[in-house]
Amino acid sequence: AQSVTQLGSHVSVSEGALVLLRCNYSSSVPPYLFWYVQYPNQGLQLLLKYTTGATLVKGINGFEAEFKKSETSFHLTKPSAHMSDAAEYFCAVSDRYGTDKLIFGTGTRLQVFP
Amino acid sequence: DADVTQTPRNRITKTGKRIMLECSQTKGHDRMYWYRQDPGLGLRLIYYSFDVKDINKGEISDGYSVSRQAQAKFSLSLESAIPNQTALYFCATRDPRGEQFFGPGTRLTVL
Repeated sequence: AQSVTQLGSHVSVSEGALVLLRCNYSSSVPPYLFWYVQYPNQGLQLLLKYTTGATLVKGINGFEAEFKKSETSFHLTKPSAHMSDAAEYFCAVSDRYGTDKLIFGTGTRLQVFP
Repeated sequence: DADVTQTPRNRITKTGKRIMLECSQTKGHDRMYWYRQDPGLGLRLIYYSFDVKDINKGEISDGYSVSRQAQAKFSLSLESAIPNQTALYFCATRDPRGEQFFGPGTRLTVL
């Protein structure tokens, strides 16, 4: 069975500081991995995804994530936080050899202070 | 116009009432999903459909039913709503590359 663990339900950073949101996954098959962002009162928007190929994936709004198979991790980073980055972030793994459903982590709420 | 739409956006109802949440998509995707979101629990899968004739239960299907009326429409019903079904509900579609596209959500409150 696949699962996702997001370490830290809340992360706070100052504007301009590095953003690091942690995600570890468990999968018995090569995973497809995703990061979604949810702004207040909105649906989920895809930030980036890893399927195959390059392990460093760049997404929208300056975010990137690196797939590390040996560490079973897919941490999300951004060099310099902006106030508009305040949102909830979800890591997910796709059950691509089965139902293709997404299995989500419990989410990390990012706060950005001026 | 949004590719995945949900109606209603907000609904308050009473225990025991039947409720239907509707989802429509213009993306032409065969696969559609219903999730619920609860604080601290992330999103959990209720039902999913690979096409009009293929509907499957997710991890938390008890108390829910669905109907896939057409490729573009996938409805979620609560036959007899209960307070612990108060949550944010999302519909999603999936493209052939594996990306899922989410609707704006329906906030349901069961009193």
